[in-house]
Amino acid sequence: GDSVTQMEGPVTLSEEAFLTINCTYTATGYPSLFWYVQYPGEGLQLLLKATKADDKGSNKGFEATYRKETTSFHLEKGSVQVSDSAVYFCALSLWGYQKVTFGTGTKLQVIP
Amino acid sequence: NAGVTQTPKFQVLKTGQSMTLQCAQDMNHEYMSWYRQDPGMGLRLIHYSVGAGITDQGEVPNGYNVSRSTTEDFPLRLLSAAPSQTSVYFCASSYGAGGYLANNEQFFGPGTRLTVL
Repeated sequence: GDSVTQMEGPVTLSEEAFLTINCTYTATGYPSLFWYVQYPGEGLQLLLKATKADDKGSNKGFEATYRKETTSFHLEKGSVQVSDSAVYFCALSLWGYQKVTFGTGTKLQVIP
Repeated sequence: NAGVTQTPKFQVLKTGQSMTLQCAQDMNHEYMSWYRQDPGMGLRLIHYSVGAGITDQGEVPNGYNVSRSTTEDFPLRLLSAAPSQTSVYFCASSYGAGGYLANNEQFFGPGTRLTVL
């Protein structure tokens, strides 16, 4: 079946450090890919998305590129802030299917 | 727009009790869904609906019922609560169903933290 694998957390970084959170997927077709973020005590919200191979999604300084050859959608940010501390979820959805498959989430803690 | 609202925010039940988690959205979204979030397991789909009167099971439907009588509301019923249902429950909605779901953002409510003793 379809699945999403994320790197284990928690990830602890100092402010202004470079962030990479790895995400790989398995899917029977060509999915759309998403990153959602969950701040403490809140629901998830969309951070960025890419709907076809080689697309780059970007938002709030975060970027991720849809790599079909490596079935990956790694999340990156050049300089993290304390306010980026949250749980990040990679997700996929296939055209014509009625569900979104989420990874297990990666907790990021940014220390001053 | 209030977006997706959920009530209650917190709930404690005893084993065997029943209750309904409420979810409402004011964005006229066709697609609505319920997830549970457990440590180390991410979000797992319980039930979903592609429109009023249409519901279907997700990957963990046992012990839960849903109905969708209006576009706006999608309540989740726990029939006889068990400790294994202790979790955080999220309702989400999205524009479109079927193929359109693949390209569209899901909007999540703030969650209900449920403890079953």
